[in-house]
Amino acid sequence: AQTVTQSQPEMSVQEAETVTLSCTYDTSESDYYLFWYKQPPSRQMILVIRQEAYKQQNATENRFSVNFQKAAKSFSLKISDSQLGDAAMYFCAYKGSSGGSNYKLTFGKGTLLTVNP
Amino acid sequence: KAGVTQTPRYLIKTRGQQVTLSCSPISGHRSVSWYQQTPGQGLQFLFEYFSETQRNKGNFPGRFSGRQFSNSRSEMNVSTLELGDSALYLCASSLEPSWTGELFFGEGSRLTVL
Repeated sequence: AQTVTQSQPEMSVQEAETVTLSCTYDTSESDYYLFWYKQPPSRQMILVIRQEAYKQQNATENRFSVNFQKAAKSFSLKISDSQLGDAAMYFCAYKGSSGGSNYKLTFGKGTLLTVNP
Repeated sequence: KAGVTQTPRYLIKTRGQQVTLSCSPISGHRSVSWYQQTPGQGLQFLFEYFSETQRNKGNFPGRFSGRQFSNSRSEMNVSTLELGDSALYLCASSLEPSWTGELFFGEGSRLTVL
């Protein structure tokens, strides 16, 4: 079974600074997808960024970028120029490409990010 | 375009009762999945439906069940509620059967079991 581990329960960053959230995963599949989702307080979860395992190039979405290390099974999220609105719980998630893992996301426990003004 | 709608948003039940939660996906989305979110266990997959068929089920007891209707709306039911069932239940929808893109989540139904 696949597992996703986020080793940082909480992180804080100063506004305008850069922060990196860590995520590692375990899988025996060679083809899969990785995601970072953001859940603001009392609001719905939204997708921040996604990465296909077959792509070597790291995904980037404006101020958000990932460092995908397939061999190390590591998938970290970098937030540049942090803004107050970035404060949220961030979840790393895995989706397989075959069998039962194809139809669900496996989430890490989350990292609560605080942005200080 | 309306987002994923979950009802009710909040509810309180007592042990032994049952509860039904509803989810209306984004128009045109045919896949609906359910997740349970608790502080201790985090987000755990409950089940996923596509075209009224359950394609995958998480590791939950048989007290947890669900279904999907022909209009893609979905319901989940929890019978014989236990204190540990207190959680935020999230519904998510997606466009394609083997989606590789974004899951769209609702705001959740927060269930408290007393």
